[in-house]
Parts: sequence; structure tokens; C-alpha cells
Amino acid sequence: AQSVTQLDSHVSVSEGTPVLLRCNYSSSYSPSLFWYVQHPNKGLQLLLKYTSAATLVKGINGFEAEFKKSETSFHLTKPSAHMSDAAEYFCVVSDQPNQGGKLIFGQGTELSVKP
Amino acid sequence: GAVVSQHPSWVICKSGTSVKIECRSLDFQATTMFWYRQFPKQSLMLMATSNEGSKATYEQGVEKDKFLINHASLTLSTLTVTSAHPEDSSFYICSAEQGGRSTDTQYFGPGTRLTVL
Repeated sequence: AQSVTQLDSHVSVSEGTPVLLRCNYSSSYSPSLFWYVQHPNKGLQLLLKYTSAATLVKGINGFEAEFKKSETSFHLTKPSAHMSDAAEYFCVVSDQPNQGGKLIFGQGTELSVKP
Repeated sequence: GAVVSQHPSWVICKSGTSVKIECRSLDFQATTMFWYRQFPKQSLMLMATSNEGSKATYEQGVEKDKFLINHASLTLSTLTVTSAHPEDSSFYICSAEQGGRSTDTQYFGPGTRLTVL
């Protein structure tokens, strides 16, 4: 069965410093992996998606993630945090890649950005 | 493109009443929609998968008679919480896949906050 584990429930950074949100996955086959962001009382916005085309995936708002099969990781990074990045971030795996299957969510990482 | 709306954005109701939440895909056709619930400070839990023109598929532990799902058209799915109780208070979020595409990218609505008094 597919699953994701977000290693930090809360991350705090200063504005202008790098962001690293960690995610490990478990999958029986080549997975589809996603990062979504949720601002308070809002729906989820897709940041980026990995589907085996390239291991380094660039997303919106300067975020990117690297798929590392040997480490079963899909960490999210951004070189310089902005105050507007403060939100909840979810690492997600699809249980049936490219077949319209269910999404399995990690527990979420709350990102705080200090001025 | 790929915008999903929900209505209402928030609702307060009395215990024992029923509440209907609408989920619409505004600029695409969605053969499959999903309903999630999210408790405060927790992750999203899939409740059911809704396919246009057929019965919804519920996840284990979700009462299908309590959470009625209807997907009557390619742009609209509704979730009705019947005989709501305080423990049903939660944030309900829908998502939609674009029809005819074998991808697993879901587009999420903004959510509906339900408070049952």
C-alpha cells in the first residue's frame, strides 16, 4: 500500500532563508507524488507533481522538489521564504499513478515564516 | 482554468437537521469527484469517490446513509449530511478530476465549514 510520512509537523524559518519540508514515501511501484499547500480556511492548491518524467520538479511560487528513489524521499524546497508562504503543506501520493486513483495525504507540515 | 467551487463556504445548523453542500467544476467536466473531511490541525481524509451517473464509493467507516452523495451532472456533485450532530462539525472539501483524462491530478474546492450546534 502507498503511504507518505511528513517528518516535521511544524517548521519555522525567517523570511529570506531557505525552506525544507521533508517527505518520505512508501510505494509498491513508481509513484505519482504531489505537494499541495493550504492557506488558513482555504482549499488546497497544487504546488507541483512528480510523474517520473524528471526527478527534479519545479512548481509554482519558486518551490521545487526532488524525487530520490534510493532514499524514498520527495522533499520540498524553496531558496528564499516569503511571508506569504506561511501555510500548511501536504505531501501526497496517488495509489494508482496516472489512473485517476485515490490520493493519500501525509499529516501535513505547518510552515511559519518570521519577519 | 480547472476551478472548483463549493457552496456554501460555511454553514451553521441545529442538531438533527440536514445540510447540503454543492461542489461544482466551473470550467471543465468532471466525471469523478471526491469528498474529504478535515478536522482542525489534521490531514484530509477521503470520505467517498463520486462518479457521474453512478453510485458513490464510500471509504471504510463512512456511513453512506448519513453522508448522501449525488453526482447528477458532469459539473456538479452534492454532499448531504443527514441528521447532523455536533460530531459531524468539520471542514468538508471536494475535489474534481478532469473528465476523459487518465491523470491523478485533482483540483480542490475552497471547502465548506460545517458547525452543528
